[in-house]
Amino acid sequence: DAGVIQSPRHEVTEMGQEVTLRCKPISGHNSLFWYRQTMMRGLELLIYFNNNVPIDDSGMPEDRFSAKMPNASFSTLKIQPSEPRDSAVYFCASSLGQAPYNEQFFGPGTRLTVL
Amino acid sequence: EDQVTQSPEALRLQEGESSSLNCSYTVSGLRGLFWYRQDPGKGPEFLFTLYSAGEEKEKERLKATLTKKESFLHITAPKPEDSATYLCAVQPYSSASKIIFGSGTRLSIRP
Repeated sequence: DAGVIQSPRHEVTEMGQEVTLRCKPISGHNSLFWYRQTMMRGLELLIYFNNNVPIDDSGMPEDRFSAKMPNASFSTLKIQPSEPRDSAVYFCASSLGQAPYNEQFFGPGTRLTVL
Repeated sequence: EDQVTQSPEALRLQEGESSSLNCSYTVSGLRGLFWYRQDPGKGPEFLFTLYSAGEEKEKERLKATLTKKESFLHITAPKPEDSATYLCAVQPYSSASKIIFGSGTRLSIRP
């Protein structure tokens, strides 16, 4: 198995632009998570999907952030409009089961820089 | 407020020098406590899940233990390849989906 796949690996954009991050979870996993990691705040859970349905989006910082999971093999995290404070590494993770207390497999991350 | 604190922030050891990393937590009931390893430029890699006080788990040179207020990750006779950031996370009973990560301990093993 290729593991969790994220694209792009690096993204540099200008303030105000729309950014879309993509994730392909491990085949057969039914839970998907989006995280953000910064030096200041560490690793934060943004949103959690189970069976393609958003279960908890309380970690999404504001309305500029949105996430979708149209099918079991694909998810997107969109930021519109982007701001410099959104610069971070964004991780996608997947697991088998219904809750985060199952082992999560993380992707390599997308390093986002907003100028 | 649910909180996870890891100490020390950074730890430098000589190869073969055993030590422990600490994860203190304050949650309204603990569903589970997790240890992850993160190498530079990569996503976290799962190590252990602990569910109840007194539980212990081992993997190669690592052993994780859990009490009602903290967890320890013991590293026995570490090797340079054990160098990484070790993250602790907790899932409280207050939310089935919430998970809170600590800021991590950066471990460096000198040959």
